[in-house]
Amino acid sequence: DVVMTQSPLSLPVTLGQPASISCRSSQSLVYSDGNTYLNWFQQRPGQSPRRLIYKVSNRDSGVPDRFSGSGSGTDFTLKISRVEAEDVGVYYCMQGTHVMFTFGQGTKLEIK
Amino acid sequence: QVQLAESGGGLVKPGGSLRLSCAASGFTFSDHYMSWIRQAPGKGLEWVSYINTGGTFTNYADSVKGRFTISRENANNSLYLQMNSLRAEDTAVYYCARTARLFDYWGQGTLVTVSS
Repeated sequence: DVVMTQSPLSLPVTLGQPASISCRSSQSLVYSDGNTYLNWFQQRPGQSPRRLIYKVSNRDSGVPDRFSGSGSGTDFTLKISRVEAEDVGVYYCMQGTHVMFTFGQGTKLEIK
Repeated sequence: QVQLAESGGGLVKPGGSLRLSCAASGFTFSDHYMSWIRQAPGKGLEWVSYINTGGTFTNYADSVKGRFTISRENANNSLYLQMNSLRAEDTAVYYCARTARLFDYWGQGTLVTVSS
């Protein structure tokens, strides 16, 4: 199985400051169709996960533009340009290239 | 708007069975692969299974292969997960999600507790 490794696992951030989460995969995530199925999800406390970013860098509808995704191959990053209180929660990267699909361990973002 | 509503969770003894349902609305159900994903209490997310649009192809995580069966009824906009030979480690909130590789919409989840 493809192992997804996130860092850091805990991310205390001051309101208005930037935040960055790294996600590394144990294999390349480029699929045979040319797409890279690396997605990012946010799970706020007590809620279901919500997709933020799909295929590395495509922001979902309704997701604030302070969220951005980047990367290629095996190395990916989620960035929040200015953290707001509503961003508290756990962030997961997930690969949909290789079956079995796998998630990172999660990064817990909290306000300092 | 897209809505997914899981049901069927509950308390079951080890070795028992349970059938989860997911009612879909707001989109053309038969056009989309569907998936189940679970989350043990206080833990991360684990993909469980997916099914293709016609219900003719399925795939499972190794942890549930041979015990769980995913199915769908396109006429009723419904997705199912039949869970047999349940173990304590199957205790989790089970989510249905639209698509396979992209998981663009999720339901609110249903809690399955396996305990004697």
